[in-house]
Amino acid sequence: DIQMTQSPSTLSASVGDRVTITCRASQSISTWLAWYQQKPGKAPNLLIYKASNLESGVPSRFSGSGSGTEFTLTISRLQPDDFATYYCQQYNTYWTFGQGTKVEIK
Amino acid sequence: QVQLLESGGGVVQPGRSLRLSCAASGFTFSNYGLYWVRQAPGKGLEWVAVLSYDGRTKYYADSVKGRFAISRDNSKNTLYLQMDSLRAEDTAVYYCARKPVAGREGGYFDYWGQGTLVTVSS
Repeated sequence: DIQMTQSPSTLSASVGDRVTITCRASQSISTWLAWYQQKPGKAPNLLIYKASNLESGVPSRFSGSGSGTEFTLTISRLQPDDFATYYCQQYNTYWTFGQGTKVEIK
Repeated sequence: QVQLLESGGGVVQPGRSLRLSCAASGFTFSNYGLYWVRQAPGKGLEWVAVLSYDGRTKYYADSVKGRFAISRDNSKNTLYLQMDSLRAEDTAVYYCARKPVAGREGGYFDYWGQGTLVTVSS
């Protein structure tokens, strides 16, 4: 099974900050990676697919990069609506998620 | 617009069964594969099962293999998850989600339902 590990688990930041979340795969997954945002009590929302492709309707302050085993999600200037939990998900072999990164207000 | 609406959750005793439904609208249901994904209270996301657009190809997570069955009725635009031999560790919110395109290219989840809570407890 492919394991996905996100870091950090929790991130404290302020509005306007640049935020970076890292996701590492236990083996190479090429660029078969997606990122989601989830707010409490709500379903996840797709942000990025195939490592760097921005889903339609997602603000351009979100970007993704990486390939192989290391990936990053960057929020260029954090907005109040961005405080949430973020998950990476691989789809190279079956489907597995990272454990999540909670972005909280500093 | 695309909508997925889960139903069928509730409280069930260990060892019993439950069937979840996911009613779809806003897209051509028979053209898309669909997933079930779950989230235990306060925990992360776990993929449960996937079914191809035509119902011929299905995969299950090891944690539910042999106990859960995914199916669909394209005439009713509805996805199902039959859950048998339920365990306490199956307690979770269950989401259905759409597979955007066929094959590995579409191995992510572009639309999600709001989820239905399943609680397995005596």
